Amino acid sequence: EVQLVESGGGLVQPGGSLRLSCAASGFSFSTYWMTWVRQAPGKGLEWVANINQDGSQKSHVDSVRGRFTISRDNAKNSLYLQMNSLRVEDTAVYYCARTITDGYNFWGQGTLVTVSS
Amino acid sequence: DIQMTQSPSSVSASVGDRVTITCRASQGVSNGLAWYQQKPGKAPKVLIFAASSLQSGVPSRFSGSGSGTDFTLTISSVQPEDVATYFCQQVNSGPFTFGQGTKLEIK
Repeated sequence: EVQLVESGGGLVQPGGSLRLSCAASGFSFSTYWMTWVRQAPGKGLEWVANINQDGSQKSHVDSVRGRFTISRDNAKNSLYLQMNSLRVEDTAVYYCARTITDGYNFWGQGTLVTVSS
Repeated sequence: DIQMTQSPSSVSASVGDRVTITCRASQGVSNGLAWYQQKPGKAPKVLIFAASSLQSGVPSRFSGSGSGTDFTLTISSVQPEDVATYFCQQVNSGPFTFGQGTKLEIK
């Protein structure tokens, strides 16, 4: 059974840091691109970042570039999102998603990040 | 960035009705368009890939069409379990933007 389980969310003050993790199982993790998508409370979906199979290609949305970094460890079947200099507007549920050419065919259940003083 | 505009933002339908949701891209995305369903409190789930390919396991009452800039998601006979918000996403070029969502309610 394919599973993606996010962790690492929580309450953090503006300017703080968090590292999100996504543990993958039930499929060959190292053969898939992976993506982070976020959803602010009551709002729509926003693509955040993606990474290719061996981690050599990464892309981030403009609003997080220079503050967030996507990475992966194929030996641990894990995807990460290092988030620095967090802002109130980064408050959202963060989902990891298994990625194919035509979209995201499996999503985790998400982890909530709240940035507030 | 490519902007994705969905309409309507909400729709109310009776069980058995046909519902159509549209998605327009600010520039052409070929057939690089996916549709997702998100039920309250849950993660999104893919319905349609490549504008018109039904994801395995998705009921056949869901269908997608379009190419270029104009796309539609059709539910041929709405069921109570279809209450959700539906999002389109262009996957043609980064950043891979989503539409703002269409909320489907049952009358």
